[in-house]
Amino acid sequence: EAQVTQNPRYLITVTGKKLTVTCSQNMNHEYMSWYRQDPGLGLRQIYYSMNVEVTDKGDVPEGYKVSRKEKRNFPLILESPSPNQTSLYFCASKDVGQYYEQYFGPGTRLTVT
Amino acid sequence: GENVEQHPSTLSVQEGDSAVIKCTYSDSASNYFPWYKQELGKRPQLIIDIRSNVGEKKDQRIAVTLNKTAKHFSLHITETQPEDSAVYFCAASKSNTGKLIFGQGTTLQVKP
Repeated sequence: EAQVTQNPRYLITVTGKKLTVTCSQNMNHEYMSWYRQDPGLGLRQIYYSMNVEVTDKGDVPEGYKVSRKEKRNFPLILESPSPNQTSLYFCASKDVGQYYEQYFGPGTRLTVT
Repeated sequence: GENVEQHPSTLSVQEGDSAVIKCTYSDSASNYFPWYKQELGKRPQLIIDIRSNVGEKKDQRIAVTLNKTAKHFSLHITETQPEDSAVYFCAASKSNTGKLIFGQGTTLQVKP
């Protein structure tokens, strides 16, 4: 089954404790992206990657890191999480080319206390 | 910076009525406008999209219109049904960039 997976789905952590949210896709997509969703703010892009070893900042990259060492994986790293990073996070992937549909993962609900 | 404004934030209609959601974008170079539907607790899914060389596109009960001069685009849902109840997001992007800018979302409630 073609899909985007994220792990963990739910995470409660404390301020300053490094964490990684994994994202994997099995559709051989070149493009992958991370978003955060907050009430009243919609989806905001954190980072995206057009291809392996190529990453670019979205609208809200502060406090996040990403890497794209292989095509199928695009982990999101929070080196020192803070409470304002409490949010619902979505990973997405698509074929390269502007007009292709983005396929979203199931989401990761992160709470930072 | 680039921005997409979406209105209204909430919309309640009776089953069978039409619903219209409007978005305005700031970057005149934007040329692709997808709409996503997100049901409660689920992931966003594409329902329709439009490119800047087209003024209108329809898919059954859903249509999207684009006015490039005014830099706005709208989603029209006719004959609404309870299963149309969800959050709808508009978005905009432009060529040669991986950025996708979303609107703030509209919560549509269709009352039976």
